[in-house]
Amino acid sequence: DAKTTQPPSMDCAEGRAANLPCNHSTISGNEYVYWYRQIHSQGPQYIIHGLKNNETNEMASLIITEDRKSSTLILPHATLRDTAVYYCIVRVAPSNDYKLSFGAGTTVTVRA
Amino acid sequence: GAVVSQHPSRVICKSGTSVKIECRSLDFQATTMFWYRQFPKKSLMLMATSNEGSKATYEQGVEKDKFLINHASLTLSTLTVTSAHPEDSSFYICSAPGRNEQFFGPGTRLTVL
Repeated sequence: DAKTTQPPSMDCAEGRAANLPCNHSTISGNEYVYWYRQIHSQGPQYIIHGLKNNETNEMASLIITEDRKSSTLILPHATLRDTAVYYCIVRVAPSNDYKLSFGAGTTVTVRA
Repeated sequence: GAVVSQHPSRVICKSGTSVKIECRSLDFQATTMFWYRQFPKKSLMLMATSNEGSKATYEQGVEKDKFLINHASLTLSTLTVTSAHPEDSSFYICSAPGRNEQFFGPGTRLTVL
């Protein structure tokens, strides 16, 4: 699976949009971009994933650049409960091997 | 979404004892489950893949005789930390795959005294 690079930490203001960048310059054509987050002392939680097109769900939006070498996760209206470590993971679509490799992620702190 | 539970959520044991951690998929079946370990302020590290009806697959550097994994049914995988030592103190998390994503349990905090 392709390696990803994320900033170690970022702060954002409650009620504002949080934009979390991820670089994955070695991504292959059949690899998806997945985002998970982990709130302190809990198991990770799936947020969103995409291949080429931008995706949106009730939690977030995922913007993937045209060359697919980077992406941005957008939390439209950050709340204090969004404080967590956010992981950007690149991997092939579900197959017999569902393993996930977690990097260091971005520690996001939402401030009132 | 689908729910994965873990039991216990927290356990404290003496050095040299064995501890069993259960991972259950509550509303779906999972032929495969994964076990991760997470040390303080570190990321998740995959330990092993639990396979229903067959032996677990361990990641490089993980001792299979120390971390016994049993996938007894389509909804239950257990991780037994044998002869636990203080360095085994960690946050253990299991997961089960859904159609597009992994569903993670809430984690088990193990403290070995």
